[in-house]
Amino acid sequence: QSALTQPASVSGSPGQSITISCTGTSSDVGGYNYVSWYQQHPGKAPKLMIYEVSNRPSGVSNRFSGSKSGNTASLTISGLQAEDEADYYCSSYTSSSTLEVFGGGTKLTVL
Amino acid sequence: QITLKESGPTLVKPTQTLTLTCTFSGFSLSTSGVGVGWIRQPPGKALEWLALIYWDDDKRYSPSLKSRLTITKDTSKNQVVLTMTNMDPVDTATYYCAHIPDSYGQPDYWGQGTLVTVSS
Repeated sequence: QSALTQPASVSGSPGQSITISCTGTSSDVGGYNYVSWYQQHPGKAPKLMIYEVSNRPSGVSNRFSGSKSGNTASLTISGLQAEDEADYYCSSYTSSSTLEVFGGGTKLTVL
Repeated sequence: QITLKESGPTLVKPTQTLTLTCTFSGFSLSTSGVGVGWIRQPPGKALEWLALIYWDDDKRYSPSLKSRLTITKDTSKNQVVLTMTNMDPVDTATYYCAHIPDSYGQPDYWGQGTLVTVSS
C-alpha cells in the first residue's frame, strides 16, 4: 500500500480538463511544499512534470499545473491531448520516514 | 545536461545478490545537496523507493528492505552502486536510478531503467 493515495484511473475527452488528486498527511503533502508529479508512458522512465507543488520544469507544457490544499495535492491537465495518455505519479517529501513517498499511480485515458 | 544509466544483470537466480551500477554525467556527487537514488517498479505496479545517497555520504534506505540493501558512491567515477541480497522472484522489476537535486529527495532526472528478472 502506497503512502500517498491517488485514484486508480481518470479519463477525459480531447480538449477537456482533468484533475488527479494525491492525498497524504500532515507529515508529507500537508506539511511541506515538496510535492512532485511524474508522467510515465508505457515502457518509459518517469518524467518530471511538476515540482515543489506548482512549478513546471523547462520544456513542460503550460497545460500542466499543480496545486495543494491541506493534505491533498492536485495535478490538472487542461486541453487534453492524446499524447497525455499515461500513468501519473505523485511524490512528496516526508518527515515520517527515511525516504520520500510515492503515490500508487493514476492511469489517464484520453477517450 | 544530466544523464544517468543503469547497468547490471538482467537475470538473477533466487537467493543471489544483485549488483546494479548507476553511471551518470552532467553533475558531481561532490556538489553540496546533491544525491542519487534508486527506485524500482515491478511490472504493472507502482514506483517504490529503495535507497538514496547524498553528496556527504548520508545514506537512506527503505525501512522494509534495509537489511538487504547497500548503497555506495564512487565520486571519481561518477557512479553509484546498489546491492540487494537474497533476491526473490517478487524482486522482479525495472530498477531506475535518479538525480536528486536537494535534501527534499524529489527526483528530477531519471535513467532509462533496467529490467531485472529473478528466476531459477
